[in-house]
Amino acid sequence: AQKVTQAQTEISVVEKEDVTLDCVYETRDTTYYLFWYKQPPSGELVFLIRRNSFDEQNEISGRYSWNFQKSTSSFNFTITASQVVDSAVYFCALSEEDDDMRFGAGTRLTVKP
Amino acid sequence: DSGVTQTPKHLITATGQRVTLRCSPRSGDLSVYWYQQSLDQGLQFLIQYYNGEERAKGNILERFSAQQFPDLHSELNLSSLELGDSALYFCASSDQETQYFGPGTRLLVL
Repeated sequence: AQKVTQAQTEISVVEKEDVTLDCVYETRDTTYYLFWYKQPPSGELVFLIRRNSFDEQNEISGRYSWNFQKSTSSFNFTITASQVVDSAVYFCALSEEDDDMRFGAGTRLTVKP
Repeated sequence: DSGVTQTPKHLITATGQRVTLRCSPRSGDLSVYWYQQSLDQGLQFLIQYYNGEERAKGNILERFSAQQFPDLHSELNLSSLELGDSALYFCASSDQETQYFGPGTRLLVL
């Protein structure tokens, strides 16, 4: 069975600090997809990234970066120079070949001014 | 504004009842996804449709059903409602690269 673990329930940082959100997954499939989503206090869901299992290249998008390591089954998300607007709950998710998707429990990030 | 609309925004109903949630995807998007977010279960993927056909199925109860119509809007039908079905239901549509979420329908079952 697939499983996604976000061990950090809550993280609090001060603005401009870098912060890494951890995501560890379990799967027996060789083909799968990993996702990150953001849910700000307003409640909407925002898609951040999708990465397939054959693409281990790290991704950078502005202040956001993602580190995918198959060797450790991790897909970590780093926010550089955090801002108050980054405060949200962040979800990691895994989708296997049968296309079912499982979410982690989420990490609540609070960025203080 | 993501371009995805969901109606209604809020819904209050009683146990045993049936409700229909509606989702209109972004113009041109063929895929529609449904998700449930509750305090007990967290975020769960329910089902995906692509151009009218069921594409993937997640943790969707037998009391729930969905469909995507020729105009690509989708409906999620929830029947024999239980207290535990109280949740936020999100719909999303996608192009090849990105998912776009609607604002959600908050369902309260009393």
